[in-house]
Amino acid sequence: GQNIDQPTEMTATEGAIVQINCTYQTSGFNGLFWYQQHAGEAPTFLSYNVLDGLEEKGRFSSFLSRSKGYSYLLLKELQMKDSASYLCAVMDSNYQLIWGAGTKLIIKP
Amino acid sequence: GAGVSQSPSNKVTEKGKDVELRCDPISGHTALYWYRQSLGQGLEFLIYFQGNSAPDKSGLPSDRFSAERTGGSVSTLTIQRTQQEDSAVYLCASSFGTSGSYEQFFGPGTRLTVL
Repeated sequence: GQNIDQPTEMTATEGAIVQINCTYQTSGFNGLFWYQQHAGEAPTFLSYNVLDGLEEKGRFSSFLSRSKGYSYLLLKELQMKDSASYLCAVMDSNYQLIWGAGTKLIIKP
Repeated sequence: GAGVSQSPSNKVTEKGKDVELRCDPISGHTALYWYRQSLGQGLEFLIYFQGNSAPDKSGLPSDRFSAERTGGSVSTLTIQRTQQEDSAVYLCASSFGTSGSYEQFFGPGTRLTVL
């Protein structure tokens, strides 16, 4: 079966760095997405990785290792507004997104 | 509009009634998705439309659920004989659906409550 695993909840301190991991097992692979979802709002796109390596975009970076079925989202210089759920999703061979349950990130002052 | 729109934003209905949820995708997007999200849970795929191809209905939880997309644009998700377990936020997303442009843009969702 297809499976996306990510931690349910993480806590970090304002100004610090946090890494949210995602492991996957899917039927084929056409890229991995990270989305941010604030409570009561729709998900918004953060990053897309299809090749191995690190993609940096401001305070957020996303890493992919296809051989290990592994990705992480790195958030630097955490701000209170970063408190949200972070969803990992993999596009399978049918170009369908398989979604993880999301990681709720709590930022403390 | 610039983004994906959905209506209504909230719907409260009685068990056994039918409901229709509407999605207006971003102009030019050929792919349209419906998802369901229960409180504190991840996204559950329901149905996927791509251009004029037959829709992928593999995620529909029962035959009470159906969806159509008219003219390759607006989509309607219909739930017949609603049950309390249908209560959730129903999210619509659209994308270009072409190589290198798979990013999905989400609408604000419809919160459905079945009493």
